[in-house]
Amino acid sequence: KAGVTQTPRYLIKTRGQQVTLSCSPISGHRSVSWYQQTPGQGLQFLFEYFSETQRNKGNFPGRFSGRQFSNSRSEMNVSTLELGDSALYLCASSRGDNEQFFGPGTRLTVL
Amino acid sequence: AQKITQTQPGMFVQEKEAVTLDCTYDTSDPSYGLFWYKQPSSGEMIFLIYQGSYDQQNATEGRYSLNFQKARKSANLVISASQLGDSAMYFCAMREGLGRGSTLGRLYFGRGTQLTVWP
Repeated sequence: KAGVTQTPRYLIKTRGQQVTLSCSPISGHRSVSWYQQTPGQGLQFLFEYFSETQRNKGNFPGRFSGRQFSNSRSEMNVSTLELGDSALYLCASSRGDNEQFFGPGTRLTVL
Repeated sequence: AQKITQTQPGMFVQEKEAVTLDCTYDTSDPSYGLFWYKQPSSGEMIFLIYQGSYDQQNATEGRYSLNFQKARKSANLVISASQLGDSAMYFCAMREGLGRGSTLGRLYFGRGTQLTVWP
């Protein structure tokens, strides 16, 4: 059974640009969550999607957005990139309460 | 207030020895779940073990066990017979509101404990 996949794995952008990250959950999982991980702030919840609906949102500015498609694949978008957006972005998929499996992450560097 | 507190930034253990990583949590929700993840330097979060708030017995998964003390709100991870490959960052996490569907996916994470296993 394939795990959670994230593309791309590495990304370098410059300030002001926008970026789109993709996440494909484990087959059969309908919930996808996104997290940002930085050395200073640790792991912070961005948002969660279930059946194409955003169910929960963390405390991030409106530059961070996401969506989920009918096949449960999810994308997150960050517009007008700032240096502080440099981070590891992790996607997790879930089918039930007692499981949440993470992908390998996308490492974004903003120059 | 922090929902998950991990007080050990770093821990060292010799190969084949057991080690306990501490985790305390804060919630007023009676229905919650506790998770431990391992994150090697590659960055991927690897699920280790889960404990539900209503589970009567401590969870075990191979060399991993969770010492769940509900009254003290602690959920310590015990790794028995440490191996060199166990060297990584370990995160404790919590999900609230299980079974109600209101917060299906959100995990609250601690700051992590860097475990180093030496030969």
